[in-house]
Amino acid sequence: DAGVIQSPRHEVTEMGQEVTLRCKPISGHDYLFWYRQTMMRGLELLIYFNNNVPIDDSGMPEDRFSAKMPNASFSTLKIQPSEPRDSAVYFCASSPRRDSGLSGNTIYFGEGSWLTVV
Amino acid sequence: AQKVTQAQTEISVVEKEDVTLDCVYETRDTTYYLFWYKQPPSGELVFLIRRNSFDEQNEISGRYSWNFQKSTSSFNFTITASQVVDSAVYFCALSEAENNFNKFYFGSGTKLNVKP
Repeated sequence: DAGVIQSPRHEVTEMGQEVTLRCKPISGHDYLFWYRQTMMRGLELLIYFNNNVPIDDSGMPEDRFSAKMPNASFSTLKIQPSEPRDSAVYFCASSPRRDSGLSGNTIYFGEGSWLTVV
Repeated sequence: AQKVTQAQTEISVVEKEDVTLDCVYETRDTTYYLFWYKQPPSGELVFLIRRNSFDEQNEISGRYSWNFQKSTSSFNFTITASQVVDSAVYFCALSEAENNFNKFYFGSGTKLNVKP
């Protein structure tokens, strides 16, 4: 089975530009997570969805960040306008239903989108 | 307060040595899960293992073994006969019933360098 697929893998953009990161979760997974990883703050949960509905966005740093999940197989994380301090690795992850036996409660990560804002 | 503490920031060993990565967690929940993930230099995060709070049996998978001790709130990871390919950052994580297991608390990671 294909894992979590993220695009782009790498992006370099200028301050003020809009950035859109994309994610395709593992088929059949009910939960989707967006994480950010930086040296200073480690892995931070930004937002997560259950069955396409945003459940907790308390980790979204500010209004410049938004995330959507229009259907079960696609999600976006948008930063507008981008700033240099947004430079980080953004991970998308997905998880099956909680009652999915051995794999429930485990989140599986994509390869990450490495964002550099100059 | 940190919910997951990985006190070892970086460890260097020579190939074939055994190495143990420490993880100490903090929770008031009686039902929780503990995880280990590996992040090799290529950057992806790879799931290694999950344990629930009711299963304290140690687990072995090839050269990897995990020691879960509730009495000391620890979930340590040992690599036996380390290899260069084991070089990576290893993260320990906790999820709790309180958050419906949806919030993962990650430790700060331990960078393992295995030298030939």
